[in-house]
Amino acid sequence: DQQVKQNSPSLSVQEGRISILNCDYTNSMFDYFLWYKKYPAEGPTFLISISSIKDKNEDGRFTVFLNKSAKHLSLHIVPSQPGDSAVYFCAASERNNDMRFGAGTRLTVKP
Amino acid sequence: ETGVTQTPRHLVMGMTNKKSLKCEQHLGHNAMYWYKQSAKKPLELMFVYSLEERVENNSVPSRFSPECPNSSHLFLHLHTLQPEDSALYLCASSEGQVGSSEKLFFGSGTQLSVL
Repeated sequence: DQQVKQNSPSLSVQEGRISILNCDYTNSMFDYFLWYKKYPAEGPTFLISISSIKDKNEDGRFTVFLNKSAKHLSLHIVPSQPGDSAVYFCAASERNNDMRFGAGTRLTVKP
Repeated sequence: ETGVTQTPRHLVMGMTNKKSLKCEQHLGHNAMYWYKQSAKKPLELMFVYSLEERVENNSVPSRFSPECPNSSHLFLHLHTLQPEDSALYLCASSEGQVGSSEKLFFGSGTQLSVL
């Protein structure tokens, strides 16, 4: 039962443009959402999060949007840089339950 | 040394071998986790320890055996594995207790190949 889905396994964008990574979830009880970034040969590192009481959280070039009615989460990166090339994992958690992860989207930012 | 460190980084083992993965966190966190990442699949939670007590075992086969001797160390003992167990095994920690909706801090993982 995959409760968190990232339907795009890969995304390629030009440097300077916007990258939009999408995530859908099925469990309406999720109340905390996170994005992790993973470089090859490294573990995932936390990027940005959002609580279910908000619909937007911004941190520099990274913005996460939450649409609870659609059960949809997105990460916007603008402007995209070659160093942003990595695998991005969406994750969600419900209080007193473990965190669920998507399968990841590989972002490639071309110079 | 800071963060979450895992050893070894790579491991190749036969199906009859016994090996152990080690994880150490230097963050003073209360919870530690083992995750499995197979190619193109979501991270799967295997085991959770909170304050050194196991709180969750997600129906993991008994050929995987965790050990948490203290709040800073976590082991995953492996024996008679199958080729389908080949994957990246990630250790993580979190500051609060399990279920507190906090971010996880991951180690770099052990890439395991079972021949």
